[in-house]
Amino acid sequence: DVKVTQSSRYLVKRTGEKVFLECVQDMDHENMFWYRQDPGLGLRLIYFSYDVKMKEKGDIPEGYSVSREKKERFSLILESASTNQTSMYLCASSGGTPNEKLFFGSGTQLSVL
Amino acid sequence: GESVGLHLPTLSVQEGDNSIINCAYSNSASDYFIWYKQESGKGPQFIIDIRSNMDKRQGQRVTVLLNKTVKHLSLQIAATQPGDSAVYFCAESSISGAGSYQLTFGKGTKLSVIP
Repeated sequence: DVKVTQSSRYLVKRTGEKVFLECVQDMDHENMFWYRQDPGLGLRLIYFSYDVKMKEKGDIPEGYSVSREKKERFSLILESASTNQTSMYLCASSGGTPNEKLFFGSGTQLSVL
Repeated sequence: GESVGLHLPTLSVQEGDNSIINCAYSNSASDYFIWYKQESGKGPQFIIDIRSNMDKRQGQRVTVLLNKTVKHLSLQIAATQPGDSAVYFCAESSISGAGSYQLTFGKGTKLSVIP
């Protein structure tokens, strides 16, 4: 079965902290994505990666960075967390060509106080 | 600041009835469409997809219809069950300005099944 695992289900951090959200997929997928999901705004793409050490900005990259050192792992980094980054963060992966369905993790609910 | 609507469109259906959830997409160049189901506290789960060279595709208890003329997508769920209660949203895939494929997600419809 396809599996995308996010390291934390819930996180509470303080303003200004550096936050790491980890995501691992076991399907040997080339493509990995980070979204955030907010009520009324739906899913918005933060960053994505089509290969190891490769990254591309999505629609809302400001305040975030990513790292993809290994094919199976894609990390989202909040360099200095702010309250407006409180959100549900969803990691996803897809294989083959980029124009394929995404498989999502269970999400990380991040609260920045 | 931007006004944010917190309320999703809601569809209430009696258990056993058929459900139809609609989605209007924006890009006439989109060539791939997906329906996802998201239960409370979980990540989105793939239900069914369709490519633009088709107008109908069936799965187990679900059917997706694509009308490219009016840029409309629908998801039909047969014999709706309590376990179908969730938020459903569509996604369209098209090539972005940077030349890569990107999925654009709809805001979602909340399906409530009445036992």
